[in-house]
Parts: sequence; structure tokens; C-alpha cells
Amino acid sequence: ELKVEQNPLFLSMQEGKNYTIYCNYSTTSDRLYWYRQDPGKSLESLFVLLSNGAVKQEGRLMASLDTKARLSTLHITAAVHDLSATYFCAPTSKRGSQGNLIFGKGTKLSVKP
Amino acid sequence: DTGVSQNPRHKITKRGQNVTFRCDPISEHNRLYWYRQTLGQGPEFLTYFQNEAQLEKSRLLSDRFSAERPKGSFSTLEIQRTEQGDSAMYLCASSPGLTALRADTQYFGPGTRLTVL
Repeated sequence: ELKVEQNPLFLSMQEGKNYTIYCNYSTTSDRLYWYRQDPGKSLESLFVLLSNGAVKQEGRLMASLDTKARLSTLHITAAVHDLSATYFCAPTSKRGSQGNLIFGKGTKLSVKP
Repeated sequence: DTGVSQNPRHKITKRGQNVTFRCDPISEHNRLYWYRQTLGQGPEFLTYFQNEAQLEKSRLLSDRFSAERPKGSFSTLEIQRTEQGDSAMYLCASSPGLTALRADTQYFGPGTRLTVL
């Protein structure tokens, strides 16, 4: 059974600083997604990573995937307050699966001025 | 494209009552998923439909839970004899399916928040 672990669970950053969120998963997976959730809101898709070495960037966020290490990272560059949210990584449950996602507990990011 | 919609947005019920939630996916998305999210946790997968066929169910989906997608469009999730432990946000997501040209991203609805008293 696939297990997902995110680190850290809570992250308080100052604006302008860089930081990385880590997502480890326990068994092989086809692809991995990153989602953002604002308080009281639903989930917004950020990235989908399909293969080993995949890197995607959007604005101040960059996600990468190492399938051999079963590790994905979400790097935040020069954080701004608008990035405050909870970030979830979610690999698919097994290879060749129809796509149901297994979510980590999330990393609650707070960016302070 | 209006996105995934869910109704109701909030439901308060007494223990033992039955409740039903509705999800309308993005049109032409043939895959539909139900998840449950409790405070401070990530969403947990409940069940998945491809068109009208329910292809996968989590062990979390006890006998009190049933889901349908009768015509391959909207879906309903029913909880019978609700318990306080059922209190959670119930999220629906839809996706177009995996093809050579695109990944199968799931788009989530706003959720239905259930409170069981």
C-alpha cells in the first residue's frame, strides 16, 4: 500500500526567502501531482510530473520528480505572501492504476512580511 | 466550462439520518472520483467511476456508503445511518482520462461539508 510523507508539515517563511518541500512515497507510482489548497477552499492543481527527472516551473514554484528515490520536491523561490496555503503532493496509487491519488498530509506554508 | 460543482455545500444532520450529496463533473470528463477530507489531513480516496461503471472502491467505503453515476454524468454519494465520525468534507473530482497528449489531471469541486450532530 502506497504511503506518502511530506516534510515539513508546517513552514513559516519570510518573504523573499527560498525553501523546499519534500514528498517521499513508498512504492512505485506512474505520476505525481502537486495541489494547493487555501483555507476553506478546494484543491487547485499546480503540477503533474510524469517521468523520472521531470521538472515543471510556474512562477515562483518549481517541482521535480526522482522516481528512483521515490522523491518529489516543491521549491519556492523568493516567497511572497500570496503563496501562503497548504500544499499537497499526491502520487497515483499504483502503476497502471486508473488514477486515484494518495495524498500526503500537506505542508501548511505561511509567508510573513 | 464551469468546473466541478457539488451540492449542497454544507449539510448538518443528526446521527442516524441518511444524507445524499451530488456532484456534477466537468462536461465530457469520463472519470469521476470521490474523496473525503478531515481537518488537517489530505484527501482520502473513496471511489472512482469511469463513465457509469464504478471501478474502484476504498476500504474506507463501508457498507453505509454508496455511490452511483447512473448515466455517466453526475454522481451521487449516499451515507446511510450517519455517525459522528462521518463528519468531514466530501470532495468530488473529475478528469478527462489519460491520453498520449495530456496527463490525467483531476479537477476538484468545492466540496460538501458534512456535520453529524
